[in-house]
Amino acid sequence: GENVEQHPSTLSVQEGDSAVIKCTYSDSASNYFPWYKQELGKRPQLIIDIRSNVGEKKDQRIAVTLNKTAKHFSLHITETQPEDSAVYFCAASIGGNEKLTFGTGTRLTIIP
Amino acid sequence: KAGVTQTPRYLIKTRGQQVTLSCSPISGHRSVSWYQQTPGQGLQFLFEYFSETQRNKGNFPGRFSGRQFSNSRSEMNVSTLELGDSALYLCASSLVGTARMNTEAFFGQGTRLTVV
Repeated sequence: GENVEQHPSTLSVQEGDSAVIKCTYSDSASNYFPWYKQELGKRPQLIIDIRSNVGEKKDQRIAVTLNKTAKHFSLHITETQPEDSAVYFCAASIGGNEKLTFGTGTRLTIIP
Repeated sequence: KAGVTQTPRYLIKTRGQQVTLSCSPISGHRSVSWYQQTPGQGLQFLFEYFSETQRNKGNFPGRFSGRQFSNSRSEMNVSTLELGDSALYLCASSLVGTARMNTEAFFGQGTRLTVV
C-alpha cells in the first residue's frame, strides 16, 4: 500500500522567513496530494492541494510543488506569521479512492 | 452550510466495553471516512463508506467496525476496548470525485476517546 514520509518532524523559523516541508510517496498511482493544517485542539483543515497533472500551485503565501518522477512534493510558506504555527500534514491518495495516507506531521513554530 | 459534526466530543470508557461514535457529513457529501489520530501513529485510515457500503478498509482489527445510513450519516463501533484504543477519532466527508480526481475531505472536530 501507499506510504508517505514527511520531513522534518519539527521546524522553527523566524517570523518573516520561509518554511519548507517535504514529503515523499511510494505509490506511483497516487494523483492527489492535499496539505492539512491542524492547530492545537482543532480539526485538520485543507490549506492547499495539488493534482498530478500540475507541477506547482500557489495561493498567496502558500505554494506546493510536485515532482512525479521523484515521487515527492513540498509545501512552501513564505513571509511566515505567528498564526502559521501549527502541525502540518501531507497526504496522498489515488483518484476514485477517498482513502488518504498521511505523513507523520511537521510541528511548525514561528518565532516572533 | 453546516460542517461535519461528530458526537460525542469526549468519551471515557473502561477496558472491555464497547463504544459507538457518530458522524454527520456535510449536506450532499456521500463519502464518509474515519481516521484514528494518536501522537505516536499520526493519522491512520480506518475505513470509508459510500452509499451505505464500505469501500475501503485500513489495517485495523475486526473490533473496529462501521456503517452508513441512507442519509449518509455514519457510525463507527469499537468493541472490547483496549487501553491502546485511546485516541482522537476523526471523520471526514467528501463529494465523490471522478475516477481520476479526488475532492477535498472536510474533517469533523473529532471524538476524544479515553480508555481506562
